[in-house]
Amino acid sequence: AQSVTQLGSHVSVSEGALVLLRCNYSSSVPPYLFWYVQYPNQGLQLLLKYTSAATLVKGINGFEAEFKKSETSFHLTKPSAHMSDAAEYFCAVKGDYKLSFGAGTTVTVRA
Amino acid sequence: NAGVMQNPRHLVRRRGQEARLRCSPMKGHSHVYWYRQLPEEGLKFMVYLQKENIIDESGMPKERFSAEFPKEGPSILRIQQVVRGDSAAYFCASSPPPGLARKAGYEQYFGPGTRLTVT
Repeated sequence: AQSVTQLGSHVSVSEGALVLLRCNYSSSVPPYLFWYVQYPNQGLQLLLKYTSAATLVKGINGFEAEFKKSETSFHLTKPSAHMSDAAEYFCAVKGDYKLSFGAGTTVTVRA
Repeated sequence: NAGVMQNPRHLVRRRGQEARLRCSPMKGHSHVYWYRQLPEEGLKFMVYLQKENIIDESGMPKERFSAEFPKEGPSILRIQQVVRGDSAAYFCASSPPPGLARKAGYEQYFGPGTRLTVT
């Protein structure tokens, strides 16, 4: 069965600093991986997805993620944090058809 | 093109009442998934449906919960005799049929959720 683990339930960064959110996956087949963002009391919005086309995936809002098979990782980064990046971020892996989500990482941005 | 619609957005029920949550998938999507998000937790898969078929309900509690996706109309998640532990956000997602889903990278499109509070 496919699963993901997000390291760190809370991340606090200064505005303008690097954002790094960690995700490791477990999958018996080449995975399809996703990062979603959830703003308070809202639904999930797709940031980016890995579908084996390229190991470095660029998403919306300046985010990108790199798929590293040797490390079974799919970490999410943004070079310069903005106040609007404060939200909860979920990594997910596709199983047969359903998505399995990590527990989430809450990002706070300090002015 | 409207996204996934869910209603109501907020629902308050007293213990013992029934809760009905509705989900209208994106146009052209024939597959619906329901997920539950408990406070301070990630989303957990509940059930996967196609029109008139339940494909996988392995994540559904054995009692009080049921789901349907009729030929016409929205998908319904029904919770009978709600208890306080049912308080959560319930999200619906939809995807295209399998042949098109692969082209879309198997992305699931999420609705805004229904936040159920049981008092």
